[in-house]
Amino acid sequence: GDSVTQMEGPVTLSEEAFLTINCTYTATGYPSLFWYVQYPGEGLQLLLKATKADDKGSNKGFEATYRKETTSFHLEKGSVQVSDSAVYFCAPKELAAGNKLTFGGGTRVLVKP
Amino acid sequence: DTGVSQDPRHKITKRGQNVTFRCDPISEHNRLYWYRQTLGQGPEFLTYFQNEAQLEKSRLLSDRFSAERPKGSFSTLEIQRTEQGDSAMYLCASSLVNSPGDTQYFGPGTRLTVL
Repeated sequence: GDSVTQMEGPVTLSEEAFLTINCTYTATGYPSLFWYVQYPGEGLQLLLKATKADDKGSNKGFEATYRKETTSFHLEKGSVQVSDSAVYFCAPKELAAGNKLTFGGGTRVLVKP
Repeated sequence: DTGVSQDPRHKITKRGQNVTFRCDPISEHNRLYWYRQTLGQGPEFLTYFQNEAQLEKSRLLSDRFSAERPKGSFSTLEIQRTEQGDSAMYLCASSLVNSPGDTQYFGPGTRLTVL
């Protein structure tokens, strides 16, 4: 079945630093790719998505590009804020796998002022 | 757009008791999903419905778990004879088939604690 490998956290950064969270996946076909974010005490929120190769998803200053050749969907932000402190989950979704999201273990990010 | 809602938000029960959770999806969404999330882990898929039909169940879903979506709107997840290992956050999500990426939107979850 599908699987996801995310870099382990916690990742601790200073405000305005550059953030990268690596995500690679295995899939039998061409999944849609998602990043979800979970802020402290809150539910999962969609952060961004990409549905085909070379698509770039973006939202709130975050970006991720669907790289089919490396089966990766790395998340980046050029200048983080304290409010970006959260757990970030990478999740492919493949039609052949029954439309379910397959989540990575999550990466906790802590941004210090 | 009222979002996905779940009830209750928290449930504490004793081992061996039955519990039932409810999920109300976004009103026009025809797909509904249940996931389970344990502390420090990503959510794991349990089951999903398209309209009232249950189309897939995970092998994680033991015989003690049952889910229904009788009229294709809200769904219930019942756990019979709860065990301490059932303690987790139970998440519901909904989506609209044929929307871009068939994006799933999550509710706030029901946190179950089995004593």
